[in-house]
Amino acid sequence: QKEVEQDPGPLSVPEGAIVSLNCTYSNSAFQYFMWYRQYSRKGPELLMYTYSSGNKEDGRFTAQVDKSSKYISLFIRDSQPSDSATYLCAMSKNTGNQFYFGTGTSLTVIP
Amino acid sequence: SAVISQKPSRDICQRGTSLTIQCQVDSQVTMMFWYRQQPGQSLTLIATANQGSEATYESGFVIDKFPISRPNLTFSTLTVSNMSPEDSSIYLCSASRTGDHNEQFFGPGTRLTVL
Repeated sequence: QKEVEQDPGPLSVPEGAIVSLNCTYSNSAFQYFMWYRQYSRKGPELLMYTYSSGNKEDGRFTAQVDKSSKYISLFIRDSQPSDSATYLCAMSKNTGNQFYFGTGTSLTVIP
Repeated sequence: SAVISQKPSRDICQRGTSLTIQCQVDSQVTMMFWYRQQPGQSLTLIATANQGSEATYESGFVIDKFPISRPNLTFSTLTVSNMSPEDSSIYLCSASRTGDHNEQFFGPGTRLTVL
């Protein structure tokens, strides 16, 4: 079983839609949860960072962590064509520790 | 944040040759990492580049195949040795600083094709 599971998609939505991206994981030791966005032919860039369970909001983006279910989500409100990218979840047990990445979900927002 | 550059951005190499990828960070960082990203796969950590000592390799990766150097706090190299077509992939360098909320900054990647 992989440490982190993520549906690769592809996911295609109309502009303005709400997008939900999800990851599940198996290791209860994970405490830090990240979402990265990766545009084509670019390196991943950090979007959201959450420690332990709970919600975190940043503009149109909301990250949720449910440690009891070992499930994390990223919501994008009012999606824009510029949101079209691959979204990777990542998690680690502690600061400075190895990151474990999902395979990434490819998202296309259609104008 | 930190800005990371990689050279080369892409290369096409012949089987049996070696390629060295350079990673330069615009400021001092605590840790530097090398990842491989294959289509449809998650980022796979190859090794942690330690400043002034030997790199720490993950299971399945060995120093003879992927020698790594890190001579200072802003620079690292990864060599892919004796390449085969299975080594075709994107190689990514990343870095983090203590206290940076566990953020890893990534370079743009090096797209390697081995014929």
